[in-house]
Order: sequence, then C-alpha cells, then structure tokens
Amino acid sequence: QSALTQPASVSGSPGQSITISCTGTSSDVGGYNYVSWYQQHPGKAPKLMIYDVSKRPSGVSNRFSGSKSGNTASLTISGLQAEDEADYYCSSYTSSSTLWVFGGGTKLTVL
Amino acid sequence: QVQLVESGGGLVKPGGSLRLSCAASGFTFSDYYMSWIRQAPGKGLEWVSYISSSGSTIYYADSVKGRFTISRDNAKNSLYLQMNSLRAEDTAVYYCASTPRDIVVGGPFWYFDLWGRGTLVTVSS
Repeated sequence: QSALTQPASVSGSPGQSITISCTGTSSDVGGYNYVSWYQQHPGKAPKLMIYDVSKRPSGVSNRFSGSKSGNTASLTISGLQAEDEADYYCSSYTSSSTLWVFGGGTKLTVL
Repeated sequence: QVQLVESGGGLVKPGGSLRLSCAASGFTFSDYYMSWIRQAPGKGLEWVSYISSSGSTIYYADSVKGRFTISRDNAKNSLYLQMNSLRAEDTAVYYCASTPRDIVVGGPFWYFDLWGRGTLVTVSS
C-alpha cells in the first residue's frame, strides 16, 4: 500500500480538463511544499512535470498545473491531448526516515 | 547529451547478490544528489535509497535497510547499488534519478529532475 493515495484511474475527452488528487498526511504533503508529479508512458522512464507543488520545469507545457490544500495535492491538466495518456505519480518529501513517498499512480485515459 | 544509463540487472536466485550501476553524462554529476527508485511489475514507484553529492549522507527505505548499499564515484560519474540477500519482492525495474542542489539553502531540492530508463532485476529460483 502506497503512502500517498491517488485515484487508480481518471479519464477525459480531448480538450477537457482533468484533476488528479494525491492525499497524504501532515508529515508529508500537508507539512511541506515539496510535492512533485511525474508522467510515465508505458515502458518509459518517469518524467518530472511539476515540482514544489506548483512549479513547472522548463519545457513542460503550461497545460499542466499543480496545487495543494491541506494534506491533498492536485495535478490539473487542461486542454487534454492524446499524448497526455499516461500514468501519473505524485511524490512528497516526508519527515520520516523514508525521505520520499510516492502515490500508487493514476492511469489517465484520453477518450 | 544529458542522461543517466543503468546497467547490471538480471536474474538472480533468492539470497543472491547483484550490483547495479548508473552512468551519468552531460552534466556535473558531483553537483547532484542521487537516488535509486524501483517499480515492481505492474506496480507504483518506490524510493529505495539516497546519497548526497559528496557521498557523506545516505538514507535507505526500511524495506532494503541492512541489505542494500548505495555508493558513488564522482571521478567516474557513476552511482552504484549493491544488493545482497535478495528476495522475490525485490523484483522490479530499478531507476537511478538525480536531485539538484539548492544552492541558496544548501542541501537538495526535493524532486527528481532526471531519470534513467531503468534496469530489470528479477529474483526467482
């Protein structure tokens, strides 16, 4: 069982917006602004999409945005495109000796 | 070209050992903190181990503590993971990933900005 809780799947049509939630505790998501999101296409390495809750690395589309409220972080993808279909993982720094925790992943299907 | 390339995976029997390597290129390896992260077949990501840029600070997940050893050779731009007493539940794709340094605060940022393509470790009799 993953430390952070994500929905197993979400779906949306091209052009629509979707939001993926990531729920943790005050020891990780709620306690620090160190939430990051990763996109993983089948058979590929994960790619950083969002860091420090809402910052976008250079080269990542501004259709991707992040936010946080309490112990829950969210990734929103607007203007869905076919290439957005992938697995998405959240991660957070944690004050436990584990250092980092991940969510179980969310499979995004573009209908 | 900025990249991380893992190697050393394979099939090993329970109780056996394996040493993974990760070769870095295209960036100043010694400036980066490094981690190993694994993904069991059909499962999510699990952070395994972390080493600071100098190698002086190391952390492990509870699931591998006492069995795995992380190390690095900055002169060779390489990261390693020595895995001993392997179990079936260690079967996974192992990724190496880099974490940039926060120059202002000192210490790492708390995300992984570059990942390798992974190497598969299968523990089975």
